[in-house]
Amino acid sequence: NAGVMQNPRHLVRRRGQEARLRCSPMKGHSHVYWYRQLPEEGLKFMVYLQKENIIDESGMPKERFSAEFPKEGPSILRIQQVVRGDSAAYFCASSPSSTPFHYGYTFGSGTRLTVV
Amino acid sequence: DQQVKQNSPSLSVQEGRISILNCDYTNSMFDYFLWYKKYPAEGPTFLISISSIKDKNEDGRFTVFLNKSAKHLSLHIVPSQPGDSAVYFCAASADGNQFYFGTGTSLTVIP
Repeated sequence: NAGVMQNPRHLVRRRGQEARLRCSPMKGHSHVYWYRQLPEEGLKFMVYLQKENIIDESGMPKERFSAEFPKEGPSILRIQQVVRGDSAAYFCASSPSSTPFHYGYTFGSGTRLTVV
Repeated sequence: DQQVKQNSPSLSVQEGRISILNCDYTNSMFDYFLWYKKYPAEGPTFLISISSIKDKNEDGRFTVFLNKSAKHLSLHIVPSQPGDSAVYFCAASADGNQFYFGTGTSLTVIP
């Protein structure tokens, strides 16, 4: 029973390129959350998705960032025209229900994005 | 605007003793609280939760206390073990979905 799978584990992009981060939730989990951890900071909520729907994107930067969770396949966090300030660890979490409180989220191991 | 604060960036405790990690929050609408443990290069691992209808929740060596009037929660680990050495994050939420995380406390348990 695989956990939350994120790939790649490490991603290096030059300024101006696009970054695509993938997240496959745990089997049976239909709720996906993306968090970002900047150096020396805690995790910051970005977006909450269910299959084919964005439920809450209040933490997403208004420009260059987008997320999707299609009917088939992994959830994708896409960052266009990356800048150095996008360098961070991006964590995906999944939950079997809309209120993950009782069990907590299950987090993946993260994707470390470095913009050079 | 940091709504959840962990004011101690690090803590060292002798093996066998109690570890107490503290967390403060500012939003009185927060009703759901989680603690996570994180090792380097891994994702956070869920430890324990508490909601505002309770003031204490226990799970083995881990106990979380909530003081809603003070907007304060703490995680007690008794007895502390070297394998507990990690970064601990508290998180709080008003709706049980979007959680606000603290900046973490790095716990070192000395054998």
